[in-house]
Amino acid sequence: NAGVTQTPKFQVLKTGQSMTLQCAQDMNHEYMSWYRQDPGMGLRLIHYSVGAGITDQGEVPNGYNVSRSTTEDFPLRLLSAAPSQTSVYFCASSLGSHTIYNEQFFGPGTRLTVL
Amino acid sequence: DAKTTQPTSMDCAEGRAANLPCNHSTISGNEYVYWYRQIHSQGPQYIIHGLKNNETNEMASLIITEDRKSSTLILPHATLRDTAVYYCIVRVSNSGYALNFGKGTSLLVTP
Repeated sequence: NAGVTQTPKFQVLKTGQSMTLQCAQDMNHEYMSWYRQDPGMGLRLIHYSVGAGITDQGEVPNGYNVSRSTTEDFPLRLLSAAPSQTSVYFCASSLGSHTIYNEQFFGPGTRLTVL
Repeated sequence: DAKTTQPTSMDCAEGRAANLPCNHSTISGNEYVYWYRQIHSQGPQYIIHGLKNNETNEMASLIITEDRKSSTLILPHATLRDTAVYYCIVRVSNSGYALNFGKGTSLLVTP
């Protein structure tokens, strides 16, 4: 298993540009989430999904869109990048509702800089 | 979710036990205690979780007080590779799509 994969590893954007951060998992996990981590801070939840076709907002959703058309993929779209979105983005997945607890598996992160 | 309080930073000598405390005085009966760690620049990694009993796995031990208001993560023989930020998270079970990460404890293991 590759686990949770994220592409790209690094990205530099100009203000106003749009882009999609890719996340994929090959563990047949129901739950997937996107977090951002700013320097010296913990992770904050952007959006999450509890299954294909179902998404919801987390703590800091503004400026981001998500969709979940397949179990495996959960892309994060930046509609019009702003310098405040400079951060490290982590995607995570976990088994889902049929387990008592849900250990989350994290990807390696995408380091985004918006100029 | 119950709020957690952890020290900002701790040091530990290599080969000694690292004991990382966490206070969660408002924990409710159906909330679990989870521990994750984040080694520099990597994604967080699950370590262990528990409800009320002490737990042990190949990575660590988790000691939860009888009143469940605090817990301690124990790394029995810390190595340099254990240098990381450790997060204590309290969460209702079966809701693992989102975790509330605070700032955690930055553990430095020294030679």
